[in-house]
Amino acid sequence: RKEVEQDPGPFNVPEGATVAFNCTYSNSASQSFFWYRQDCRKEPKLLMSVYSSGNEDGRFTAQLNRASQYISLLIRDSKLSDSATYLCVVNPIRYKLSFGAGTTVTVRA
Amino acid sequence: NAGVTQTPKFQVLKTGQSMTLQCAQDMNHEYMSWYRQDPGMGLRLIHYSVGAGITDQGEVPNGYNVSRSTTEDFPLRLLSAAPSQTSVYFCASLDRSQETQYFGPGTRLLVL
Repeated sequence: RKEVEQDPGPFNVPEGATVAFNCTYSNSASQSFFWYRQDCRKEPKLLMSVYSSGNEDGRFTAQLNRASQYISLLIRDSKLSDSATYLCVVNPIRYKLSFGAGTTVTVRA
Repeated sequence: NAGVTQTPKFQVLKTGQSMTLQCAQDMNHEYMSWYRQDPGMGLRLIHYSVGAGITDQGEVPNGYNVSRSTTEDFPLRLLSAAPSQTSVYFCASLDRSQETQYFGPGTRLLVL
């Protein structure tokens, strides 16, 4: 079983829509969780950390469910510029990150 | 701050050739790592280093060597290239205080 699993998508949504997706992780001892964004043929960049109580950053909301071992990302009021691949990242061992294969989101005009 | 830099951006090798992918960072981060990214798979850790003179293997180390003689540089050597090593390679350094990985722009490698 992969350490981090994501629905690859793609999620095709119109501008202004809300899109949400999850990832699951296998190591219950994982302590840190992140969402990274990767644009086509570019390097991944940190989008946001995910905290136990859930957190927002503008139009982005991240949630953590430790009991079911999944994290989620919700994007409100989607913009064309949100089109990207979103990588779920989990830290099962300190400083050694495990990456999901990514969920592709395409926002259309 | 240039952040994390990688050279070359693109490389084509023949099977059996060797080469070194260069990586440098100017953020004084102790922790650096190399990943490869293949279609449909997440980034997989090849090797990592927690400081100058200290390296260790990641998930997929076979066929690769690393060294860390300075805090800034962390080169990745392909000893004898194979088609299975065709991939995109990312170098990253870690800001421990924020647990944030900063990635270089990547090297696209094709082994024929």
